[in-house]
Parts: sequence; structure tokens; C-alpha cells
Amino acid sequence: GPKVLQIPSHQIIDMGQMVTLNCDPVSNHLYFYWYKQILGQQMEFLVNFYNGKVMEKSKLFKDQFSVERPDGSYFTLKIQPTALEDSAVYFCASSLSGTNTEVFFGKGTRLTVV
Amino acid sequence: GQQVQQSPTSLVLQEGENAELQCNFSTSLNSMQWFYQRPGGSLISVFYNPSGTKQSGRLTSTTVIKERRSSLHISSSQITDSGTYLCAMADSGYNKLTFGKGTVLLVSP
Repeated sequence: GPKVLQIPSHQIIDMGQMVTLNCDPVSNHLYFYWYKQILGQQMEFLVNFYNGKVMEKSKLFKDQFSVERPDGSYFTLKIQPTALEDSAVYFCASSLSGTNTEVFFGKGTRLTVV
Repeated sequence: GQQVQQSPTSLVLQEGENAELQCNFSTSLNSMQWFYQRPGGSLISVFYNPSGTKQSGRLTSTTVIKERRSSLHISSSQITDSGTYLCAMADSGYNKLTFGKGTVLLVSP
């Protein structure tokens, strides 16, 4: 089936540094998402993105977070600066349309902030 | 906001037994999915099933919109079915999925 690719699978970064998580969504999809899962906890919505704009974001999407998809390339989540509580698995997802449709998830990037 | 309740929290089966996992939603839904999460964390979509019944091999999902619930039935469970099963729903807006806390399934020999 359709695949969402996330690079890298693991990343360790020093607190205060910037990190960019990359996602290659399904090729014809138009809507993109990031979700966060702290180890052992519930998966939670961060943000969705369409036509170059953030459509919705949750309280977890702090000011230090930003998303973009420059020129149809990778969909990225940037955290600057990182904090210890940002350690989690970040899942990228995409869908063809904005409602009533299946959402496809990547395998996640495990981010460890030390 | 919307809430998603999954039951049971955990389930231990012997290989060959059947499993019934439940998901209840606090609001009406227009989209729901079942996922399997491996012990290592990666997420695999099992069913997109906003209404009705779908079957794939040993897995069957039934969603009853009016009753705001969905179930996942695993027949003749195998050891490799062990892991966490998550359900998620969207009620409105751009496929913003709300996830349940999951059912941890352990299938033993």
C-alpha cells in the first residue's frame, strides 16, 4: 500500500539545539500531519498542513515548533530550540483529502533530547 | 473534546483463541481507523472503517455509527498478533485523529 517515509528513524540531540524531522508523504497526497507519542503514552495530534498552511494545531504544538513543505519536497517538523520534554516518537502522516478518508502513517522518528 | 475509550486495556490469550477489542467514541464520527503498533513502536494501519463491517483474513472490524462504537475481532489468534491495537477517530475538521490508549494483546503458546 501507500507508504510514508520518515528520515531518520532515530535521532539524538543536545538540549537547546535545533532538529529537523523529515517526512516523504505519499506522492499524490495533499494533507499532511504530525503526531507525537511519548514513550508508553497516548498518540497525540500536533498539527495538520494543507496548501502551504497550518490548518489546525494542538496545544502540544509549541512556539518552538514549525512545519513546512518547500516546493513539494519533504514535509518537515522543526523544533528550535529543543527541550527535554520533546523526547518522543514523532509520526508523520498524509491523506489524499481532508475529511472522510484514510490517513497513512510513517514508522516514526524516535527523538531523544539529552 | 472528543474522547476515545478502548477496552480491554490488556488481554492475554492462548494461541488459537479469539479476541474482541472495543472502541467507543464520545462524539459522532466521520472517520475511524484501527492500527497495530509493534513493540518497537512503528504503526501499521489495520482497517479504515468509518461504517459497516470489513474483513481481512483473520481480522474483522465492525463500526456502528449510531452507537458510536467500533470493534476489532481477531480469530484464531497467533503469537505474532501480540502488540498494541489502537483505534482512532475524526469527527470533523481535517482528519484530526483522536487516538485511544490502546489494547495490549499478548498471545502465548
